[in-house]
Amino acid sequence: DVKVTQSSRYLVKRTGEKVFLECVQDMDHENMFWYRQDPGLGLRLIYFSYDVKMKEKGDIPEGYSVSREKKERFSLILESASTNQTSMYLCASSLPIPAGELFFGEGSRLTVL
Amino acid sequence: RKEVEQDPGPFNVPEGATVAFNCTYSNSASQSFFWYRQDCRKEPKLLMSVYSSGNEDGRFTAQLNRASQYISLLIRDSKLSDSATYLCVVNHHSGGYQKVTFGIGTKLQVIP
Repeated sequence: DVKVTQSSRYLVKRTGEKVFLECVQDMDHENMFWYRQDPGLGLRLIYFSYDVKMKEKGDIPEGYSVSREKKERFSLILESASTNQTSMYLCASSLPIPAGELFFGEGSRLTVL
Repeated sequence: RKEVEQDPGPFNVPEGATVAFNCTYSNSASQSFFWYRQDCRKEPKLLMSVYSSGNEDGRFTAQLNRASQYISLLIRDSKLSDSATYLCVVNHHSGGYQKVTFGIGTKLQVIP
């Protein structure tokens, strides 16, 4: 059974803290994605990666960075968390087009106080 | 203009009704299209792919109109369990990788 695992389901952090969100997939997928989902805004792409050590900015990369040192792991980093980064963060992986289907983790709900 | 646009709803329909959702996309070079379903407080999951020839999976029918740049999802004989948010997804190949864009989602509530 395919699986994308996000390390933390719920996190509470303080403004200015560094935050790491980890995502691991066991499907040997090349592509990995980080989205955030907010009410009324839907899923917005933060960063994606199509290969180890490769990364591309999505639509809202400001305030975030990513790391992909191994094929199965894609980390999202908030260097200095701010309250407007309170959100649900969803990691996904996929094979390249044309397969395309995204498999999502269960999400990490981050609250920044 | 947003890359992928959907009516957020909510669509409140009685059990047994037929309901249709549309989604428009702005990038004419988009290559593949999907509908995902997201239940409350859960992650999105693939419902079905969308092909130019149209495709059907039980009570669900998806259509793609490339000329007008929209995709549709038709649900026949709605069940209470169909209540969810339906996300339109558009994939675009660019520079050797795919960029996946989601619509905001259309919320469906099926009423007894």
